[in-house]
Amino acid sequence: KAGVTQTPRYLIKTRGQQVTLSCSPISGHRSVSWYQQTPGQGLQFLFEYFSETQRNKGNFPGRFSGRQFSNSRSEMNVSTLELGDSALYLCASSLAGDNSYNEQFFGPGTRLTVL
Amino acid sequence: AQSVTQPDIHITVSEGASLELRCNYSYGATPYLFWYVQSPGQGLQLLLKYFSGDTLVQGIKGFEAEFKRSQSSFNLRKPSVHWSDAAEYFCAVGGKGPGSARQLTFGSGTQLTVLP
Repeated sequence: KAGVTQTPRYLIKTRGQQVTLSCSPISGHRSVSWYQQTPGQGLQFLFEYFSETQRNKGNFPGRFSGRQFSNSRSEMNVSTLELGDSALYLCASSLAGDNSYNEQFFGPGTRLTVL
Repeated sequence: AQSVTQPDIHITVSEGASLELRCNYSYGATPYLFWYVQSPGQGLQLLLKYFSGDTLVQGIKGFEAEFKRSQSSFNLRKPSVHWSDAAEYFCAVGGKGPGSARQLTFGSGTQLTVLP
């Protein structure tokens, strides 16, 4: 079974631009979570989507948004990029049909550099 | 609010030596607890998890962790480290409320260097 895939793997943007990152979960997984990893702030939860609905949201400004499609693929968008948005963005998928825990499988991440 | 503290930023051990990575958490009840490993340029791989029951949990790659409620700790151990264990290790906590099990709070990580 293929793992979580994220595209693109690397991205360079300039301040003020917007960016869209994509995540394809493991087949059959319906929950997709996004995390930001930076040297200064570490790993921080952005949001989780399940059945095309945002179920949880971390403490990030409204410039960070996401969505999930009917095939469970997810995208996250960052508008008006700032230098501080440079980070590794990780996506994780899980079965997660209810409130119980299902293991999250992480993708390799998208490395975003904002110049 | 939940939080995780990994007091050791960097640990260096010799190959074959034992290893213990420390993790302390703050949460209102017994949370879900996890240890992940991240190699350079890679995502996170789950080593082991604790939900309830036996406080000593076994994971992959010969790792184990012990949950100590009285100390709010979940330390990771390995009796004999291999060079391939060099990586960054993250402790994480997840809640038990609706959906919160997948909203993980991570520690700042411990970078492990293994000397030959």
